[in-house]
Amino acid sequence: NAGVMQNPRHLVRRRGQEARLRCSPMKGHSHVYWYRQLPEEGLKFMVYLQKENIIDESGMPKERFSAEFPKEGPSILRIQQVVRGDSAAYFCASSPTTSWAAIGNTEAFFGQGTRLTVV
Amino acid sequence: GIQVEQSPPDLILQEGANSTLRCNFSDSVNNLQWFHQNPWGQLINLFYIPSGTKQNGRLSATTVATERYSLLYISSSQTTDSGVYFCAVAIGGGSNYKLTFGKGTLLTVNP
Repeated sequence: NAGVMQNPRHLVRRRGQEARLRCSPMKGHSHVYWYRQLPEEGLKFMVYLQKENIIDESGMPKERFSAEFPKEGPSILRIQQVVRGDSAAYFCASSPTTSWAAIGNTEAFFGQGTRLTVV
Repeated sequence: GIQVEQSPPDLILQEGANSTLRCNFSDSVNNLQWFHQNPWGQLINLFYIPSGTKQNGRLSATTVATERYSLLYISSSQTTDSGVYFCAVAIGGGSNYKLTFGKGTLLTVNP
């Protein structure tokens, strides 16, 4: 059973370009979360998605950032017009399908992360 | 929101030594996880342990939910144990699914 797969592992973008980060959850998992780790900091929640739905994007910057989890294919975190402050490690996590009342009660499995460097 | 405090912030050990890392949290939780971030930045799940005790090889963890703390034990440490250890918690129960991470304990194991 493959784990959470993220790609690319490393991404270098020039200021003003777009960055696309991909995440394939574990088989049988329908909840996907994105977290960001800025240098020398812990991980912070960005967004929670289920298939074709954004459930909670309260941790995402209001501009330039968007996320999707289509019916087919991986979840995508998209950053438009990147700036140097976007340089960070972006982690995706997935958790098993549960009832609504149990969301958050189950183990979240993390991918290896994508390290974005903006030059 | 919920507060997570980890101690110590830094720890230096000689290979073979044992250590205990602590995680205190400010509210009742339904989810507590320990992670190891290795020097290459990869985040590795160690334990899912909202309560009780678990062991996996040289590592074990105990969470005392009623007193709002968790301990991670590393025995006979090896250089490959170096890295940052994070504790993360979530209140859970449907609407509180966000994991809140502590600032981590930086462990250095010297040969």
